[in-house]
Amino acid sequence: DIQMTQSPSTLSASVGDRVTITCRASQSISNWLAWYQQKPGKAPKVLIYRASSLESAVPSRFSGSGSGTEFTLTISSLQPDDFATYYCQQYNTFWTFGQGTKVEIK
Amino acid sequence: QVQLVESGGGVVQPGRSLRLSCAASGFTFSDYAMHWVRQAPGTGLEWVAVISYDGNNEYYADSVKGRFTISRDNSTNTLYLQMNSLRAEDTAVYYCASSYSTSSSWGFFDYWGQGTLATVSS
Repeated sequence: DIQMTQSPSTLSASVGDRVTITCRASQSISNWLAWYQQKPGKAPKVLIYRASSLESAVPSRFSGSGSGTEFTLTISSLQPDDFATYYCQQYNTFWTFGQGTKVEIK
Repeated sequence: QVQLVESGGGVVQPGRSLRLSCAASGFTFSDYAMHWVRQAPGTGLEWVAVISYDGNNEYYADSVKGRFTISRDNSTNTLYLQMNSLRAEDTAVYYCASSYSTSSSWGFFDYWGQGTLATVSS
């Protein structure tokens, strides 16, 4: 099974900050990686797919990079609506999520 | 617009069964693979099961293999999850989600329902 490890688990930041979340796969997944945002009591929403492709209607302050086993999600200027939990997901072999990164207000 | 609406959750005793449904609308259901994903209270996301667009292929997480069965009815645009021999650790919000498969990949989860809570407790 492919394991996905995110860091950090929690991130405290202020509006306007540049934020980076890292995701590591236990084996190469090429670029079969997606990033999701989840707010309390709501379903997850896809932000990025194929490691770096921005989903339709997602603000351009979100970006993704990486391939193989190392990936990053970057929010260039954190907005009030971005305080949420973020999950990476590999879809190279079945589907596995990272444990999540909670972005909270500093 | 795309809608996925889950139903069928509730409180059930350990060892009993529950059947979840997911009604789809706003897209061509029969073109998409469909999944169940669960989230135990206060924890992360766990993929549970997938069924191909035509219903001919199914795959399960090891944690539910042999106890859960995924199925679909493309004539009514409905996805199902039959959950048998339920355990306390199956307590979670269950989401249905869609993915568009290609020759290269089964795909990521582009649409999600709002979830239905299944609680296994005596």
